[in-house]
Amino acid sequence: AQTVTQSQPEMSVQEAETVTLSCTYDTSESDYYLFWYKQPPSRQMILVIRQEAYKQQNATENRFSVNFQKAAKSFSLKISDSQLGDAAMYFCAYRGRDDKIIFGKGTRLHILP
Amino acid sequence: EPEVTQTPSHQVTQMGQEVILRCVPISNHLYFYWYRQILGQKVEFLVSFYNNEISEKSEIFDDQFSVERPDGSNFTLKIRSTKLEDSAMYFCASSRADRPNEKLFFGSGTQLSVL
Repeated sequence: AQTVTQSQPEMSVQEAETVTLSCTYDTSESDYYLFWYKQPPSRQMILVIRQEAYKQQNATENRFSVNFQKAAKSFSLKISDSQLGDAAMYFCAYRGRDDKIIFGKGTRLHILP
Repeated sequence: EPEVTQTPSHQVTQMGQEVILRCVPISNHLYFYWYRQILGQKVEFLVSFYNNEISEKSEIFDDQFSVERPDGSNFTLKIRSTKLEDSAMYFCASSRADRPNEKLFFGSGTQLSVL
């Protein structure tokens, strides 16, 4: 069975600095998708970035980028120039052939002014 | 490790039919939620449930939807008369409390296809 592990329950970063959130996963599949979701206090789940496993190039979305290491089954999220609005819970997620989405347990990100 | 479980993983139904999506939250959790994600779109909050009543719902959660905790372990989402646009992945989640810093534990979803 696939698993997603986020080993950092909470992290803090100074405003304008860069922070990296870790995520590892386990799967025997070769084709899958990886996601980072942001969940602000409003409880909406906002897709931040996605990565197709067949693509070697790391996905980027403005200040958000990933470091996808397929062999190591690692999928970290880097947030550059952190802003107060980035404070939220961040979920790493995996979606394989059966379309189930498996989420990690989340990392609470605090932005320090 | 405790987890939220959802059944079935896939549900196919005809338009106009009723469906019930089932969830078993983590046993010591008190707050329960349903989310959905239409293909290619963001995950949307539907409803939260506490102490046997709805505590919050979104505008998506209209009269076609209802939730129930029929016994001490299950938490169900019923769609009374399904529409094509109800096709989505539905996620159940639970938490111990409803504070901003409380984590939500998600199930792995039920893919609903309305034909």
